[in-house]
Amino acid sequence: QQQVKQSPQSLIVQKGGISIINCAYENTAFDYFPWYQQFPGKGPALLIAIRPDVSEKKEGRFTISFNKSAKQFSLHIMDSQPGDSATYFCAASRIYGGSQGNLIFGKGTKLSVKP
Amino acid sequence: ETGVTQSPTHLIKTRGQQVTLRCSSQSGHNTVSWYQQALGQGPQFIFQYYREEENGRGNFPPRFSGLQFPNYSSELNVNALELDDSALYLCASSSGTSGREQYFGPGTRLTVT
Repeated sequence: QQQVKQSPQSLIVQKGGISIINCAYENTAFDYFPWYQQFPGKGPALLIAIRPDVSEKKEGRFTISFNKSAKQFSLHIMDSQPGDSATYFCAASRIYGGSQGNLIFGKGTKLSVKP
Repeated sequence: ETGVTQSPTHLIKTRGQQVTLRCSSQSGHNTVSWYQQALGQGPQFIFQYYREEENGRGNFPPRFSGLQFPNYSSELNVNALELDDSALYLCASSSGTSGREQYFGPGTRLTVT
């Protein structure tokens, strides 16, 4: 049973446009929701993360929107650039004992930003 | 760069063989988690080590085992390799006391023939 569902599988956006990637989760015990960016041949890099006590978090061009009642969260990339072309993964976990539990990842979204 | 290093970068093994992958965690981090990432998929949790003890395990068979050393570096051992074990193996380090972030290394690409 897939606990974190991510869509779309792939996304093509023009330079300067907004990229939007959506995720839905099932386990209401999840309380930490990070997004990772992965370039080919590299490990995932932490991009931005949110806790369910806030509805939105913004860091530079990247924004997470969180809807606790719908059990959904999304990543918005404003002013998308060709350098943003990568695979993006949403994830979820439970925080307990002050230490992050194992991350449950979505299947990823391959973003291509056209010049 | 996260400061998490993994070795080797690439590895080719034959079905039935055993393999050991290594990970050095970021300075100050005492928790290491291992993930398997099949081609075109998200990483899947194998297990986590906290202060040299296994602290959680995903849905992987016992032939996947690990160790964490006093300096918090870690090893992933896989016995009786199967073709489906071909994947990118990632380790991630975090601080067990205050950190919520896991920082990933570049991974080891394992090919089983």
